[in-house]
Amino acid sequence: QVQLQQWGAGLLKPSETLSLTCTIYGGSFSGSFSPYYWTWIRQPPGKGLEWIGEISHSGISNYNPSLESRVTLSVDTSKNQFSLRLTSVTAADTAVYYCATLRLGDTISGVLNYGLDVWGQGTTVTVSS
Amino acid sequence: DIQMTQSPSSLSASVGDRVTITCRASQSINSYLNWYQQKAGKAPKALIYAASSLQSGVPSRFSGSVSGTDFTLTISSLQPEDFATYYCQQTYITPFTFGPGTKVDIK
Repeated sequence: QVQLQQWGAGLLKPSETLSLTCTIYGGSFSGSFSPYYWTWIRQPPGKGLEWIGEISHSGISNYNPSLESRVTLSVDTSKNQFSLRLTSVTAADTAVYYCATLRLGDTISGVLNYGLDVWGQGTTVTVSS
Repeated sequence: DIQMTQSPSSLSASVGDRVTITCRASQSINSYLNWYQQKAGKAPKALIYAASSLQSGVPSRFSGSVSGTDFTLTISSLQPEDFATYYCQQTYITPFTFGPGTKVDIK
């Protein structure tokens, strides 16, 4: 069973770059991790969930168009980690950031994906001068 | 982007009640609709995927159904641990959008 542990800086000033990393436990990129997309989601205080983007183990990524110009996702297979980088942050980027896994289905199951079935614990990021 | 709406935005219910939450997609998402439960200060927990399939370990009092682009989450008999906020999310077309959430609290 995959488990996620995330970490990163929690207090930033406007215009700085947010960097968060999620470490994956319970498998490897060369084996059991391949049918996953590694995902980031955020939740501003008192608000709902916003999908930021996803990346596969081979580096194929999809981003939310609302953030695409400022977001970069990356994977470090040697460390079983994936990371989020968000540039030029403002107060509007203040949120709890979550990493999560989108487990893909297959032709045998007939399921496209199983949703975001594993989540990290969340990291509170505050942007303030 | 596909817009997801949920109704109601909040509801009050008692232990033992049957609770129904509805989610609607702005276009076809081919039943790739997931439901999550979030308690205060915690990460969301996956409940249902592909509209009606229960995630491993989720109690059978939770169920999901679909009719066209309308999706329903039903809790057959509300338990004390079920008071939380529930979100739907489509994972058919990126960006994978969430509904605004439905808060279930104690009557």
